[in-house]
Amino acid sequence: DTGVSQDPRHKITKRGQNVTFRCDPISEHNRLYWYRQTLGQGPEFLTYFQNEAQLEKSRLLSDRFSAERPKGSFSTLEIQRTEQGDSAMYLCASSPALFGGPETQYFGPGTRLLVL
Amino acid sequence: KQEVTQIPAALSVPEGENLVLNCSFTDSAIYNLQWFRQDPGKGLTSLLLIQSSQREQTSGRLNASLDKSSGRSTLYIAASQPGDSATYLCAVSGSDMRFGAGTRLTVKP
Repeated sequence: DTGVSQDPRHKITKRGQNVTFRCDPISEHNRLYWYRQTLGQGPEFLTYFQNEAQLEKSRLLSDRFSAERPKGSFSTLEIQRTEQGDSAMYLCASSPALFGGPETQYFGPGTRLLVL
Repeated sequence: KQEVTQIPAALSVPEGENLVLNCSFTDSAIYNLQWFRQDPGKGLTSLLLIQSSQREQTSGRLNASLDKSSGRSTLYIAASQPGDSATYLCAVSGSDMRFGAGTRLTVKP
């Protein structure tokens, strides 16, 4: 296993279009997280899954954003009707959650989105 | 609401220097604190994780301390090398994970 992977690595789209990103976590990690990072800032939490259940969503996740993890493995993050303010790096992370509490999160390389 | 602050925002040092990066947080009710490294345009690499019951963690030339009562953590890098150049982020885990904005470190040969 080579770690968390994300696809695509880069996406350029026009305002108003829909985009979908995919994240494949480390095998057997049951927690999966999505973050957004803008230039010069740290990542901001968007949402997280425990297996297939979406347990928490940030207020940053407007109704244009939706995330799924249908089989408890890979996850998708969809942004509908993109806006220029959505331009950012979208990071995915996974953790094993062995002891029921927060654990080290392993991050993917991110998907950089540019909305023109 | 948890606020995480990192000082300085940027730091440039000559190779071989020992240096300290600072992280402060406003809510001491945390599970753990992590230090990450981020190279330009890349994802995050976890360097050290300190559980709330611990005072410090060490890995190679890195040492991180945690003073939960004062809401502070430091990352000490010994004998810095040009390969250490990156942005260093601290993150605290409470009800969710909150990151600081990072310290951009440049180590000059």
